[in-house]
Amino acid sequence: KAGVTQTPRYLIKTRGQQVTLSCSPISGHRSVSWYQQTPGQGLQFLFEYFSETQRNKGNFPGRFSGRQFSNSRSEMNVSTLELGDSALYLCASSWRDTNTGELFFGEGSRLTVL
Amino acid sequence: GESVGLHLPTLSVQEGDNSIINCAYSNSASDYFIWYKQESGKGPQFIIDIRSNMDKRQGQRVTVLLNKTVKHLSLQIAATQPGDSAVYFCAENGIPGNTGKLIFGQGTTLQVKP
Repeated sequence: KAGVTQTPRYLIKTRGQQVTLSCSPISGHRSVSWYQQTPGQGLQFLFEYFSETQRNKGNFPGRFSGRQFSNSRSEMNVSTLELGDSALYLCASSWRDTNTGELFFGEGSRLTVL
Repeated sequence: GESVGLHLPTLSVQEGDNSIINCAYSNSASDYFIWYKQESGKGPQFIIDIRSNMDKRQGQRVTVLLNKTVKHLSLQIAATQPGDSAVYFCAENGIPGNTGKLIFGQGTTLQVKP
C-alpha cells in the first residue's frame, strides 16, 4: 500500500513568489492535514481537509491556503513568499471518519525562500 | 496558550538499556495524545497513542504513560536499539474529541550508543 506522497520534495523560490505543494494521501484516506516544520517553531498545524471541506485551521496568515479535491488529493499554496516561510511542509492523511485514527505523514516538501 | 513541551532536548542511552522520554502538556482539555518518531530526512512516524481515559498503553517494545494530574506524558522504549535513534515528538489534540489538529512538542533527540 503506497504511503503519503508529496511533490515536489525540494524547491527553491525567491521572496514575493508563490508556491503550490501537492499531497496524495493513502488510498482510502479522506482526511489530509498540513504542518509546517522549522527548527525554531517545530511542527505547527496549518489546516485539515476532509471530504473537500476545511475542518480545522491553524494560526497562519491568509497567504497560506489549501484545498482538497474529490479524490482526496490536496494542495497547499503560499503566496507572496517571505524568508520565514522556508520550512519543511508535511502532509498527513488519516481515516478521520470517527475523530480517531493516527496520522500518516509523507516525507515532506522542503521549501527554501531566497 | 497551548503548548506541549519535552523535558530534555537530547537523551543518550546505551544500546540494550531502557529509554524514557518525557513530555509535559499544558492543555488540560486535551483528551488524545500521540508519540511520533522522526528520522533524519523523513516525515514523522506514528509510534503509539493514548486517550485520556487511560493511564497506560503498551505496544511492541514501547509503553506510553499518561498522568493527567500533573499533565505529564512519557514514552518508554524497552531494550533500545540503534534503529531507535531519532527525534521523538509528543503531541496533544488540544480540542476535545478532535484529532485533526495536533499540537506538537519541540522534540527530544534520542541517541543510542553501541
